Amino acid sequence: NAGVTQTPKFRILKIGQSMTLQCAQDMNHNYMYWYRQDPGMGLKLIYYSVGAGITDKGEVPNGYNVSRSTTEDFPLRLELAAPSQTSVYFCASSRQGDSPLHFGNGTRLTVT
Amino acid sequence: QKEVEQDPGPLSVPEGAIVSLNCTYSNSAFQYFMWYRQYSRKGPELLMYTYSSGNKEDGRFTAQVDKSSKYISLFIRDSQPSDSATYLCAEGTNAGKSTFGDGTTLTVKP
Repeated sequence: NAGVTQTPKFRILKIGQSMTLQCAQDMNHNYMYWYRQDPGMGLKLIYYSVGAGITDKGEVPNGYNVSRSTTEDFPLRLELAAPSQTSVYFCASSRQGDSPLHFGNGTRLTVT
Repeated sequence: QKEVEQDPGPLSVPEGAIVSLNCTYSNSAFQYFMWYRQYSRKGPELLMYTYSSGNKEDGRFTAQVDKSSKYISLFIRDSQPSDSATYLCAEGTNAGKSTFGDGTTLTVKP
């Protein structure tokens, strides 16, 4: 069982570059989420989706964009990368809104 | 004020000790409560999930929720070196947005 798969595992970006973090789940979950985790901190919600075609902002959406064209995939787009976006990004999914979250193993992003 | 406050740690205990990890929350709308374990360079994995006040036990782990005091705890009995990790509490509403504590890093020494 693959669960939630994130690619790439690591990436170094220069200031101003753009990239897309990929996330895919094979559990047929309706809800998908993007979180960021800074050192020594908890998880902060960036964006989430309750189903294909529906997305909404979380706590820290500025500088990011998402789309959800299929149930399985939920890519996160960074435009004009900034050093403040250096973090570990986790994608998660859940069957329903009150179901436990299943996490991927993260993408470590450094912006220099 | 943060919606979820977690005892910061770090915590270091000898093997076999009982460990208590604690969180408080301020949002009365939270309806379900979770504990996650996160090993270094890995994603969080679910340990415990509960809707109710009271205790829920799973092997060496017990989750305790007191909704009247807005306080949740995770107890680990007979702690093992393999329990060394960061533990995150999380609270959520039916809208699907979970709020996480900042985590407590536990080291269990052999």
